[in-house]
Amino acid sequence: DGGITQSPKYLFRKEGQNVTLSCEQNLNHDAMYWYRQDPGQGLRLIYYSQIVNDFQKGDIAEGYSVSREKKESFPLTVTSAQKNPTAFYLCASTRLAGEPQYFGPGTRLTVL
Amino acid sequence: SQQGEEDPQALSIQEGENATMNCSYKTSINNLQWYRQNSGRGLVHLILIRSNEREKHSGRLRVTLDTSKKSSSLLITASRAADTASYFCATDAGGGADGLTFGKGTHLIIQP
Repeated sequence: DGGITQSPKYLFRKEGQNVTLSCEQNLNHDAMYWYRQDPGQGLRLIYYSQIVNDFQKGDIAEGYSVSREKKESFPLTVTSAQKNPTAFYLCASTRLAGEPQYFGPGTRLTVL
Repeated sequence: SQQGEEDPQALSIQEGENATMNCSYKTSINNLQWYRQNSGRGLVHLILIRSNEREKHSGRLRVTLDTSKKSSSLLITASRAADTASYFCATDAGGGADGLTFGKGTHLIIQP
């Protein structure tokens, strides 16, 4: 079964904590993306990676960090520096930038 | 940055009617894509139309593209309750490793 998975589905964080969201794909895609979605809004790009061991900041990278040690995995860490982290986080992958993206089911992060 | 703007923001119709959503964008594009998002889920790719195409069909979906007006429309014919979702357009400007730029979406409600 090919696809892209995210875990956990729901995540609760206390103020001042760092948390890591998982994203894994077995589609053999080179490019992976992290988006943030707020209620009633579109997707805003946080980070993207075109190849292993390389990644670039998107439009709203402040307070977030990523790694790309394996082709299949692109975890996102939400740090304590992110002022308003409560949101729905979506991971996506694609064979080439500009082609259709395949999305995971999302992680809903809530700060308590 | 968000390039696509969908119109209307919300649309409610009766089952069996046709639903039309519009998307406007600002810069030249390689292709334009439409995605569907069910509540609390990831996005699903529906259809891609290239800049040299004017119209494309997929099942009950019909997409048009007018590059001179920088606009696209998505028509869903014979709507069903299961079509209730948010619909997003996304543009590929080409040459950018950051991939697609998404609009804020149209929330479609199909009344049974």
